[in-house]
Amino acid sequence: QSVLTQPPSVSAAPGQKVTISCSGSSSNIGGNYVSWYQQLPGTAPKPLIYDNDKRPSGIPDRFSGSKSGTSGTLAITGLQTGDEADYYCATWDSSLSGVVFGGGTKLTVL
Amino acid sequence: QVQLVESGGGVVQPGRSLRLSCAASGFIFSNYAIHWVRQAPGKGLEWVADMRHDETNKYYADSVKGRFTISRDNSQNTVYLQMNSLTVEDTAVYYCARDASPYMIRGVRWFDPWGQGILVTVSS
Repeated sequence: QSVLTQPPSVSAAPGQKVTISCSGSSSNIGGNYVSWYQQLPGTAPKPLIYDNDKRPSGIPDRFSGSKSGTSGTLAITGLQTGDEADYYCATWDSSLSGVVFGGGTKLTVL
Repeated sequence: QVQLVESGGGVVQPGRSLRLSCAASGFIFSNYAIHWVRQAPGKGLEWVADMRHDETNKYYADSVKGRFTISRDNSQNTVYLQMNSLTVEDTAVYYCARDASPYMIRGVRWFDPWGQGILVTVSS
């Protein structure tokens, strides 16, 4: 059972928009930065979003992040088949004194 | 370029030990925290431990506390994860990852880069 809660799966058609939620508490998301990672099969995770809503260099603006209270959200617009992957949120938990990840969300582009 | 490379993985029997290494290059290693994150087969990401740039502050997940020890040698640009009393539940791909924000004593900003990962299999 992960400290951060993500939906196990989401799906949408090519060109459409999808959002992935990440729900936490005041000890983690509520007081710390959220980051998001994309993991393609057999590869290391790749950062998509940091500091809640910033994109690393090279990440297209189809990917965006937001945070409100104790929840974070990753939005992907203009879906492409190459976006099919697992997506994870992460943050620091001040009570646990450690990093916590969401359980991961598998994105299917129909 | 900024890079992390893990080594030391393999097959080990339950109860035995293994030491992983994470060699860094392309950045000022002594300014950054390095984390270990693992992924059991077919499962999600699980944070394991981290060591801060000051070679003093370190943090562990409850699942490994007392069994795993993280250390670093800033002169060798390397972080180590000593894993003792291994169980089958420790079977996973282990990644090392850098906190992309320097001088973090506590907390985490984001992980970039990640190493390619190294497989640890605990089996009799």
